[in-house]
Amino acid sequence: SQQGEEDPQALSIQEGENATMNCSYKTSINNLQWYRQNSGRGLVHLILIRSNEREKHSGRLRVTLDTSKKSSSLLITASRAADTASYFCATEESNYQLIWGAGTKLIIKP
Amino acid sequence: DTAVSQTPKYLVTQMGNDKSIKCEQNLGHDTMYWYKQDSKKFLKIMFSYNNKELIINETVPNRFSPKSPDKAHLNLHINSLELGDSAVYFCASSQAGTGSGYTFGSGTRLTVV
Repeated sequence: SQQGEEDPQALSIQEGENATMNCSYKTSINNLQWYRQNSGRGLVHLILIRSNEREKHSGRLRVTLDTSKKSSSLLITASRAADTASYFCATEESNYQLIWGAGTKLIIKP
Repeated sequence: DTAVSQTPKYLVTQMGNDKSIKCEQNLGHDTMYWYKQDSKKFLKIMFSYNNKELIINETVPNRFSPKSPDKAHLNLHINSLELGDSAVYFCASSQAGTGSGYTFGSGTRLTVV
């Protein structure tokens, strides 16, 4: 169930900068989801983009989906210290199984 | 609070013991899951269960077994614990077709000594 790939594995930026994380996958999907995991905590669902959507926004988050390239990106604008966390993408396949990426560890430096 | 709650949060136990982790969701979701997250943060699906079907990841040892007394609960039983079972175990739930993703519990850190 570990087929998604995320890059970079780790990202360290200054507070206020934008952070971009990428996710690639291998099969056709129903949707793609992004989650955040703070250290020692459970995963929190951030945003879901369906296969027929190309872009979606939620607050400071912007997600894009390119089904021809089988890739997605998560952009966090105007980053804050509280955005420090690991970010995971997950793709829902046609059988409704979720395939998870390995995660990107984001560190926001004050 | 609407949530997925799992207990205990921490569990330290000796090799060979049998233990259980409980999970409850009050979201009215139709499907519940157990995940294992290893030290490298990889998430591995162990089981998914709704009122119709239990799907088991075939790589999960049969020492692990899910028990669901009702659709709001999915407990995880582990027999004959081994050192390699040490990990964080997450319960999650979802409702098909809502587009709202999975809701995760806060995790149970299991340490086998």
